[in-house]
Amino acid sequence: KAGVTQTPRYLIKTRGQQVTLSCSPISGHRSVSWYQQTPGQGLQFLFEYFSETQRNKGNFPGRFSGRQFSNSRSEMNVSTLELGDSALYLCASSLEHSSTDTQYFGPGTRLTVL
Amino acid sequence: QQQVKQSPQSLIVQKGGIPIINCAYENTAFDYFPWYQQFPGKGPALLIAIRPDVSEKKEGRFTISFNKSAKQFSLHIMDSQPGDSATYFCAASESGQNFVFGPGTRLSVLP
Repeated sequence: KAGVTQTPRYLIKTRGQQVTLSCSPISGHRSVSWYQQTPGQGLQFLFEYFSETQRNKGNFPGRFSGRQFSNSRSEMNVSTLELGDSALYLCASSLEHSSTDTQYFGPGTRLTVL
Repeated sequence: QQQVKQSPQSLIVQKGGIPIINCAYENTAFDYFPWYQQFPGKGPALLIAIRPDVSEKKEGRFTISFNKSAKQFSLHIMDSQPGDSATYFCAASESGQNFVFGPGTRLSVLP
């Protein structure tokens, strides 16, 4: 099975712009979660989608949004970019609700905001 | 309540040593505790995981010890190698949802 894929891998934007990141989960996985990883803050949970519905949301401003399509692929959007949004954005997929569900991570999208 | 604490922040050991990374949690509803390994430029990869009804789990050179009453769990790496140098994250989840990650431990194994 192919792993979680994320595109693009690298992105450079300027302040005020918006960006859309894409994630394709492992085939058959219906849950997709997004995380922001920075050196100082570690892995911060953004949101989780399951069957096209946002199921959980972390403590991020409304500039961060996402969606999930019927094929479980997910996109994350950040509007009005700020310098502090520079980070590695990771997508993780898991199968369903079960107590031994494991999240499998993609390689991430490195976003640099200038 | 939702936090997972992890220590140490960084760790340096000699090749063959046994680094130990500790994690603690408060939420007793957590029922799944995975460990992830992350190399620079890569996403975290699942290393080993344990459920609270088991006190220890071994997979190769990696062992998780779990103390349910103390709400603590730890990762031991036996016969550590320079290739084990990476950042390690502990995590906890509740019924496959609400994954919470520790802040990470940067491990360096010297040759």
